[in-house]
Amino acid sequence: GAVVSQHPSRVICKSGTSVKIECRSLDFQATTMFWYRQFPKKSLMLMATSNEGSKATYEQGVEKDKFLINHASLTLSTLTVTSAHPEDSSFYICSATGTSQETQYFGPGTRLLVL
Amino acid sequence: GQQVMQIPQYQHVQEGEDFTTYCNSSTTLSNIQWYKQRPGGHPVFLIQLVKSGEVKKQKRLTFQFGEAKKNSSLHITATQTTDVGTYFCACSGAGTYKYIFGTGTRLKVLA
Repeated sequence: GAVVSQHPSRVICKSGTSVKIECRSLDFQATTMFWYRQFPKKSLMLMATSNEGSKATYEQGVEKDKFLINHASLTLSTLTVTSAHPEDSSFYICSATGTSQETQYFGPGTRLLVL
Repeated sequence: GQQVMQIPQYQHVQEGEDFTTYCNSSTTLSNIQWYKQRPGGHPVFLIQLVKSGEVKKQKRLTFQFGEAKKNSSLHITATQTTDVGTYFCACSGAGTYKYIFGTGTRLKVLA
């Protein structure tokens, strides 16, 4: 089946620093990648949709200058949390869809802790 | 914007009992997906429903899409401890590839 990886799986950083999270589709070309954020025991909140080679589409209330998304190739999307603050601490999950645009394949997630 | 509610929020059942979670959208949907997330894990795709009134079965799991394409249900027959986790519906409207996740139903199965 389709596999999506995320790196790193866990990261702890100091307030004010930037953190980059990578999302890769390992065995298929991801036409579209989605970035979600999940707080403990809560649902997944869609942050943005990214298509290869074009600007990401951000959901209402998500600051595009704070959460920078780059989808440079059909197998890689990155999310950079800039000038991280403790309230940015969360579980960030990406998903990818292939050309059929049906099933979303989720990455294992990245747990971010900002001190 | 689109809102997706799931009920119940939590459900504790004895092993062997049935379980149902309901998903309700504020808007008409193009399709709906169901996911299961184990504690500490990531969502795993279960199924996609596209047609009005569609019913699909996977072993002990039965998925149904409402006639109006605004709601859906997931029913588990004779739950097992391996069914523990949070079940999310994810809804997509017409003309978009993005999915809005429901609030989730957390299932606990007591042995």
